[in-house]
Amino acid sequence: GAVVSQHPSWVICKSGTSVKIECRSLDFQATTMFWYRQFPKQSLMLMATSNEGSKATYEQGVEKDKFLINHASLTLSTLTVTSAHPEDSSFYICSARGWDRTDRETQYFGPGTRLLVL
Amino acid sequence: AQKVTQAQTEISVVEKEDVTLDCVYETRDTTYYLFWYKQPPSGELVFLIRRNSFDEQNEISGRYSWNFQKSTSSFNFTITASQVVDSAVYFCALFNTGRRALTFGSGTRLQVQP
Repeated sequence: GAVVSQHPSWVICKSGTSVKIECRSLDFQATTMFWYRQFPKQSLMLMATSNEGSKATYEQGVEKDKFLINHASLTLSTLTVTSAHPEDSSFYICSARGWDRTDRETQYFGPGTRLLVL
Repeated sequence: AQKVTQAQTEISVVEKEDVTLDCVYETRDTTYYLFWYKQPPSGELVFLIRRNSFDEQNEISGRYSWNFQKSTSSFNFTITASQVVDSAVYFCALFNTGRRALTFGSGTRLQVQP
């Protein structure tokens, strides 16, 4: 089946630094990728929809200047958390839109990136 | 607006018991898709099932079964003869065909005791 990878799998950084998380579709092209955030013991909340070659669409309440998304190729989307603060510590999960064996649209999820801001 | 409600925050059962996880959804779409995902402690989401709004047939896959009731907007998930390895957080999700994005429920944490 389709595989989505994320790098790094976990990162610890100091407050005020920026962190970049990569999301790659390994065996298929993804014109659309999604970024979710999950706080401990909570659900996945959609942050933004990333479209290749165009600006990302952010959900209400998500600061686009703080969470920079770049989808420069059909297999790579990046999320940069700028000037990270402890409250940005979370589990970030990406997914890529693809099609399954019966040609139904579906989302393939990456393994997630745990961010801890000290 | 779309909404997925998983009223059970946490469930604890003893191994071999059957357990049902509830999911109720709200949508104005006539065409939509419902999903169940498992999230073990590692965090990676594991796809379990996808059901489209026109297919109300119940489905069984091994110890897992799903009951889709469009009349009550519910898509419940039953694990028969639960095992310790079933311990995880389970999410129900609704796919919006307009926005083409998933809306997740709050999740149900299942603890299966040996």
